[in-house]
Amino acid sequence: KAGVTQTPRYLIKTRGQQVTLSCSPISGHRSVSWYQQTPGQGLQFLFEYFSETQRNKGNFPGRFSGRQFSNSRSEMNVSTLELGDSALYLCASSEGQRRFYREGYNEQFFGPGTRLTVL
Amino acid sequence: KNEVEQSPQNLTAQEGEFITINCSYSVGISALHWLQQHPGGGIVSLFMLSSGKKKHGRLIATINIQEKHSSLHITASHPRDSAVYICAPMDSNYQLIWGAGTKLIIKP
Repeated sequence: KAGVTQTPRYLIKTRGQQVTLSCSPISGHRSVSWYQQTPGQGLQFLFEYFSETQRNKGNFPGRFSGRQFSNSRSEMNVSTLELGDSALYLCASSEGQRRFYREGYNEQFFGPGTRLTVL
Repeated sequence: KNEVEQSPQNLTAQEGEFITINCSYSVGISALHWLQQHPGGGIVSLFMLSSGKKKHGRLIATINIQEKHSSLHITASHPRDSAVYICAPMDSNYQLIWGAGTKLIIKP
């Protein structure tokens, strides 16, 4: 099976612009989660999508939004970019949503990430 | 106090040494993830376990739910094991709580 793919891998934007990142999960996986990783804050959870619905949301401003399509692919959008949005954005897919624990069902598989630089 | 504490934060060892990374957490959990992140940024899931012990190649993960503690062991360490190892317990809301990571360097 192909792994999780993310596009683009690198992106440079300027303050005020908006950006859309894409994540294609492992075939058969229906849950996609997004994370932001910065040197100072470590990994922080953005949101989780399952069956085209946002199931969980982290503590990020409304400038960060996402969606999931019927084929489980997901996009994340950041509007009105700020310098502090520079980070590695990771998506992870799992077989099912994290409403309960079942062996193998919740294990997350990560994509290579999109490195966003805001100038 | 952080909900997840990993120790050590940094570890440098010689090739062949037995490595142990510890993870203690303060919340009730249903399961715990161990992940590996290489300098390029990619994260690889190593284990997800809810009890006992799991082994994959030279890697062994153990967890004691009652003591709220998990360990990751690497036997016969190799320079390619150099990476950041992250412990991420899954809390009662099934959210992952991320540890700060342990940076491991294995010297040849």
